[in-house]
Formats: sequence, structure tokens, C-alpha cells
Amino acid sequence: GIQVEQSPPDLILQEGANSTLRCNFSDSVNNLQWFHQNPWGQLINLFYIPSGTKQNGRLSATTVATERYSLLYISSSQTTDSGVYFCAVGGRSGGYNKLIFGAGTRLAVHP
Amino acid sequence: DSGVTQTPKHLITATGQRVTLRCSPRSGDLSVYWYQQSLDQGLQFLIQYYNGEERAKGNILERFSAQQFPDLHSELNLSSLELGDSALYFCASSNHHGGKLFFGEGSRLTVL
Repeated sequence: GIQVEQSPPDLILQEGANSTLRCNFSDSVNNLQWFHQNPWGQLINLFYIPSGTKQNGRLSATTVATERYSLLYISSSQTTDSGVYFCAVGGRSGGYNKLIFGAGTRLAVHP
Repeated sequence: DSGVTQTPKHLITATGQRVTLRCSPRSGDLSVYWYQQSLDQGLQFLIQYYNGEERAKGNILERFSAQQFPDLHSELNLSSLELGDSALYFCASSNHHGGKLFFGEGSRLTVL
């Protein structure tokens, strides 16, 4: 099945800093989504982005499907951005509706 | 609020017992997915239903079963529980195959 690798595994930022989270995947995908799990355990969908670039406020994401990676950008980070960010992918080999999650990037934003 | 409702939020039970977790998808969503999140395995896909029919299966144990009812709510049944089944069980829904997933708040199961 598809392998999903996220980097870095851990990230510590000062409030106001910018960051880039990376997701590499091992096979062709036609479904890629980014999620944020907040400290209370809620999983929130940030982007549905199998290709291209999208922006939502301080967050943006880019997926380059041909090169098998996606990036999540967080600008002007706030303490409420803390939590774990997951990339999840689905592709032909496993079924595009069966999302495989990476191990996540744990982000801590300090005031 | 994602619109996906899961009950119960917390459940404590003993080994060997059976529990049922319930999920109501967002209004209009036909697909329901179940995921298990544990410290050692991360987020694992268990099973997907679309409009009452099973559509995809993941790492779901034989002791676990699920179904989606005509009103589109879904139930995940976990039987002969073991300590290792302690985890957060999430339900998610989407309006079509491979669509944007919306997760419920999860059911935290503790097996003692």
C-alpha cells in the first residue's frame, strides 16, 4: 500500500513565526487531505488538495502530485495552531476513498 | 462542529466484553468511515460504508464489525475486547467516495 511520510515529526515555534510541513507519499494519489488534531483530540479538515494550491487565511497548501509530495504552510503562527498536523492520502492502489494517514507533525507554538 | 455525531464520548469496560459505538453522519452525507487511533499504530482506517453498503475494508479485526442503517447512521461493534483495543475510535463522513472527510469528536474506549 501507499506509504506516507511527514516531516518534521516535531516543531516548536514562537508565536508569529512561519513554518512549512511536508508530506511525501510513495505512489500516485488522487485524494490528499490535511487535518489538524487540536489538543482536545478533535480532527479538523484543513484542505482537500489532490493537486494544486489552496489558501485559507494564514494556511495554504500545495500538492505536486507528479513529484509525490504536499506542503502545508502556516504563516504568523498562533498558540491555537498547536496540535498535530496529519496528511492523509488515497490512491488507485489502495482505493482513493481509503485514506492512509501519516504519523503527523506535532507543532507547539509558544507565546 | 463538524456535524458528525458520535456516542458515547467515553466508555470504560472489561476484557471479554462487547461494546457498540454509534455515529450519525453530516446531513446529506452518504459515506461513513471508521478509524482507530492508538498511540502505537496512529490513525488506522477500519471500514467504509456508502449508502448502506460496505465499500472498503482496512485493518479491521474479525472481532469487530460495522453496519450502516437505512437512516445512514452507522454502528461499530467491538467484541471479545482486549487491553490492546483501548483507543480513540473516530467516525467520519463525506458526501461521496473520496470526498472531503469530516470527523466526529471520537469515542474513547478504555478496556481494563
